Amino acid sequence: DVKVTQSSRYLVKRTGEKVFLECVQDMDHENMFWYRQDPGLGLRLIYFSYDVKMKEKGDIPEGYSVSREKKERFSLILESASTNQTSMYLCASSFRSRPPSPLHFGNGTRLTVT
Amino acid sequence: AQTVTQSQPEMSVQEAETVTLSCTYDTSESDYYLFWYKQPPSRQMILVIRQEAYKQQNATENRFSVNFQKAAKSFSLKISDSQLGDAAMYFCAYRSAKKKSSGDKLTFGTGTRLAVRP
Repeated sequence: DVKVTQSSRYLVKRTGEKVFLECVQDMDHENMFWYRQDPGLGLRLIYFSYDVKMKEKGDIPEGYSVSREKKERFSLILESASTNQTSMYLCASSFRSRPPSPLHFGNGTRLTVT
Repeated sequence: AQTVTQSQPEMSVQEAETVTLSCTYDTSESDYYLFWYKQPPSRQMILVIRQEAYKQQNATENRFSVNFQKAAKSFSLKISDSQLGDAAMYFCAYRSAKKKSSGDKLTFGTGTRLAVRP
C-alpha cells in the first residue's frame, strides 16, 4: 500500500521562524506536490516536482520554497513564517503516467504561526 | 487557467437516500481528466471516482456515479444508498491531459461538506 508520510501532524511556530515541512513517499513516484488547504478556498497548489531537483511553481508560491534532493522526499520551506501561513498543508505524490495515476495524499500538517 | 467551482459549501442527506454534489469547471482544453476526492475527518484524501473527458460513458464505482456533461462543463457526483461513512468533505478536481510534465497537477474546487443523518 502506498504510504505518504508527513513528518508532523501539528506544528506551532513563531512569526519569523524558518519552518521545514517534510514529506516522504515509498512508492518511487516521480511527481510530488504541496497543497495548502483553507476553509472556503479548497486546496491550492504551492509547488510541485516531477523529478529530482526539478520544481515548478503552483498557484500560490509566494513565501514558500521547496527542495527535492532525493526522489522519495519533498520538503516545503517557509523562509520566514507569517501568521497568514497558518493553514493545513497536504503533501501528495503520483506516477507520471497516461492516463494519470491517482494522487496519494499524506495526512496533512496543521501549522499554526503565532 | 482552469478553474473548478463547487457551489454547495454544505449538503445533508438522510442515510440510505441519494444525494448529488455539483461541480462545474472552466477550460479551453478538449482533453482532460476529472476527479472526485473524499476527505473524511481523519484528513486522508481518498480518490472516489475519475472520468476521462474523451469518454462519453459516465464513470461508476459501486454506489458512486458521475453525470459528466462536457458541453456544459459540468461534473456532478451522485451517491446512492448513503451511509454514515460517506460523511466527509468532497472535492472536485481537474487535470489537463497535456503531455508536458506540468500537466500532471490537479486543480481543486473549494469542496462540499456532506453530512449524513442517521
